[in-house]
Amino acid sequence: GENVEQHPSTLSVQEGDSAVIKCTYSDSASNYFPWYKQELGKRPQLIIDIRSNVGEKKDQRIAVTLNKTAKHFSLHITETQPEDSAVYFCAAWAGFQKLVFGTGTRLLVSP
Amino acid sequence: ETGVTQSPTHLIKTRGQQVTLRCSSQSGHNTVSWYQQALGQGPQFIFQYYREEENGRGNFPPRFSGLQFPNYSSELNVNALELDDSALYLCASSPATGTGELFFGEGSRLTVL
Repeated sequence: GENVEQHPSTLSVQEGDSAVIKCTYSDSASNYFPWYKQELGKRPQLIIDIRSNVGEKKDQRIAVTLNKTAKHFSLHITETQPEDSAVYFCAAWAGFQKLVFGTGTRLLVSP
Repeated sequence: ETGVTQSPTHLIKTRGQQVTLRCSSQSGHNTVSWYQQALGQGPQFIFQYYREEENGRGNFPPRFSGLQFPNYSSELNVNALELDDSALYLCASSPATGTGELFFGEGSRLTVL
């Protein structure tokens, strides 16, 4: 079955810096890769997603890149702000009704 | 548009008891999935319901069961609770099965003592 690995587990940056979170997946059939942001005690919220027919997608300060050959995808946050502090999860969808999540990255943005 | 709602938000049970968690899907969404999120971990797929039928299941024992109703709302039932069942249980709805797009509710936090 699908396996998703996520790095780093924690990431500390200064406000205004960029942050990059990387994920790898194992199932070459996976074709949908969402990213979720989860604040303490809150639900995971979809922040951006990408399908396997594109290599990059951008939405204001966040972007996701996908390398199907290498089976990895990354989340890029530019001009980080304190409110970006949260746990970020990547996930992969290979059909079979389920999303497989990474282990999460705790991002801390210091003012 | 109403989002995914879950109840109860918090509950405490003792080992061996049974629990029922409820979920109302987002308007227009006919597919409901349940995930378990242990502290400090990513959500783990329990099962999915589509048209009132179980449509896929993760690596959870049979004491985890569910239902979907004609209005697309859903229940998660867990029998013979164990300490390791303590977790945040997330319900997610999606507009159609097979797309991967999930919209999560706020979850039900279960503590088993």
